[in-house]
Amino acid sequence: DTEVTQTPKHLVMGMTNKKSLKCEQHMGHRAMYWYKQKAKKPPELMFVYSYEKLSINESVPSRFSPECPNSSLLNLHLHALQPEDSALYLCASSQFPGGGTDTQYFGPGTRLTVL
Amino acid sequence: GNSVTQMEGPVTLSEEAFLTINCTYTATGYPSLFWYVQYPGEGLQLLLKATKADDKGSNKGFEATYRKETTSFHLEKGSVQVSDSAVYFCALSEYDDMRFGAGTRLTVKP
Repeated sequence: DTEVTQTPKHLVMGMTNKKSLKCEQHMGHRAMYWYKQKAKKPPELMFVYSYEKLSINESVPSRFSPECPNSSLLNLHLHALQPEDSALYLCASSQFPGGGTDTQYFGPGTRLTVL
Repeated sequence: GNSVTQMEGPVTLSEEAFLTINCTYTATGYPSLFWYVQYPGEGLQLLLKATKADDKGSNKGFEATYRKETTSFHLEKGSVQVSDSAVYFCALSEYDDMRFGAGTRLTVKP
């Protein structure tokens, strides 16, 4: 099973709302990632968790707050977002952190619209 | 820093035509190279990868060879099908930091 699941599939929120995106994998992978993908653009790395610890933060604004409660679960908490944050948010996982050779398995994404 | 430059699209081909999508990279170390495909409304799926120089990745008739001397990882397929229509991303990864090219939209017409 090489599945990464993401919920919700779609999310519409106002600029004052607080919401969370959820990502789950049961492949025993120890690295998990959040990416942001704007329309017709490539994914951009936001955060990397290695062994449940934040290892890379690509200077993402603090209105995005990641959390890794356990090795299977990754959350992205959203607060006071701007309309320009509207995008497809992709989660991915890979088996071993740090190597760079591992395949990253992507979920289907959450399409976020900020009004 | 590491980066990927990918042939811009869109590319439109007839069924059974030969496909090449160019990809070159800049890296300070020894990255692994990947091709991912994204179908409309979906996440990315790994198409193939190569982890060291001269490695050839292949899958579903697609091939790419890791060329260190030309810093390239061009994607090829001998005979495309309508079902190959998608966006293709070249990517490099080093120490969990994956960088994607701009993506090439391929449309295959019957």
